Amino acid sequence: SQQGEEDPQALSIQEGENATMNCSYKTSINNLQWYRQNSGRGLVHLILIRSNEREKHSGRLRVTLDTSKKSSSLLITASRAADTASYFCATVIIQGAQKLVFGQGTRLTINP
Amino acid sequence: GAGVSQTPSNKVTEKGKYVELRCDPISGHTALYWYRQSLGQGPEFLIYFQGTGAADDSGLPNDRFFAVRPEGSVSTLKIQRTERGDSAVYLCASSRTGSNYGEQYFGPGTRLTVT
Repeated sequence: SQQGEEDPQALSIQEGENATMNCSYKTSINNLQWYRQNSGRGLVHLILIRSNEREKHSGRLRVTLDTSKKSSSLLITASRAADTASYFCATVIIQGAQKLVFGQGTRLTINP
Repeated sequence: GAGVSQTPSNKVTEKGKYVELRCDPISGHTALYWYRQSLGQGPEFLIYFQGTGAADDSGLPNDRFFAVRPEGSVSTLKIQRTERGDSAVYLCASSRTGSNYGEQYFGPGTRLTVT
């Protein structure tokens, strides 16, 4: 079973607006990663945040992590039509294997 | 350099047949992973190789599924007596090493359809 729960399941906004996606998980983690997927095929790694970090930036992406609430958020600023994709959070659990445990994803649509 | 490649990109097979799905990881990556993704869901872990050995196969759903990586590079996922419920996109990923809990690099996937 998947550990993560993502919210919302689908999000539609206008180009130029900010998009925020949330992820919750159940067990203690080593790190949390966000991936992007276009057209239901390969995933592209966006950003990794470790359990001892609270916030991380990469270009127009901002990720936060709250280990006390077991939650993370991904903010995409100044969205573009090309940001349209599905976004998944994935956790690597402590004392577990290297496997990623994915949430169900958020389908983001950016309207021109 | 080249990324992770998977062949075939699409596979249609009849119920009960045997299929093999191939993954070529990024050169030099010692860790290799297989995931399965059903429509509208996130990927689910199947098996993880460190080198030639399967370090964790806890995600394989039953004994019809088997994977090998004999030389520590290319891996093949084998499914016997396929069932319609096996239809999904099978994703392969690799990482430089399995010990740093870092990012994984995914291939484009093989879409398997069992009729």
